[in-house]
Amino acid sequence: DGGITQSPKYLFRKEGQNVTLSCEQNLNHDAMYWYRQDPGQGLRLIYYSQIVNDFQKGDIAEGYSVSREKKESFPLTVTSAQKNPTAFYLCASSMRTGAETQYFGPGTRLLVL
Amino acid sequence: AQSVAQPEDQVNVAEGNPLTVKCTYSVSGNPYLFWYVQYPNRGLQFLLKYITGDNLVKGSYGFEAEFNKSQTSFHLKKPSALVSDSALYFCAVRDIGSGNTGKLIFGQGTTLQVKP
Repeated sequence: DGGITQSPKYLFRKEGQNVTLSCEQNLNHDAMYWYRQDPGQGLRLIYYSQIVNDFQKGDIAEGYSVSREKKESFPLTVTSAQKNPTAFYLCASSMRTGAETQYFGPGTRLLVL
Repeated sequence: AQSVAQPEDQVNVAEGNPLTVKCTYSVSGNPYLFWYVQYPNRGLQFLLKYITGDNLVKGSYGFEAEFNKSQTSFHLKKPSALVSDSALYFCAVRDIGSGNTGKLIFGQGTTLQVKP
């Protein structure tokens, strides 16, 4: 899992609640990514950021929001608009976009109460 | 449309036997190809990648993969499987024709089960 940390490991969300997943990296990587993993579907890109104060929507951005105020941090907020949030969320980072390898954090499992 | 296919949901091999996990891709330009492994409730670990050059790529833990452009495949192989290799394996592709976004497209994953 390298120098990427995600917290918490498990997170429980109540109906109508926004929750924020933390992702921090000490690898001095420029780019950071958020993926959602559901059984049998592989990983799907939610948001990505190539530099500080800039980010782009991925394939399934609806119901999620992000910020990139610091190079080492890329928090993901799961809003109440996300109707099916139960999943395993993975954060990744890379030196820069392109051919650089993405390295992943240990993940956060989000469950709905 | 860009896509990655892993045609087998599960692969079963005996310890000590060679293993192959299959991956085929479809992209609009030349691909960058990656293999990752995931153990239960963990993040993905990078195994190897193909960018250019030699079609046979060697990676971590004795794994290797062969890039075949004519068959649009990038199969993962290991000469002698270990029980500890049992995990979920993902193939991914980045289409360099999509600009410099670094976006990866993942296959659905293949569970490798190595039996003693």
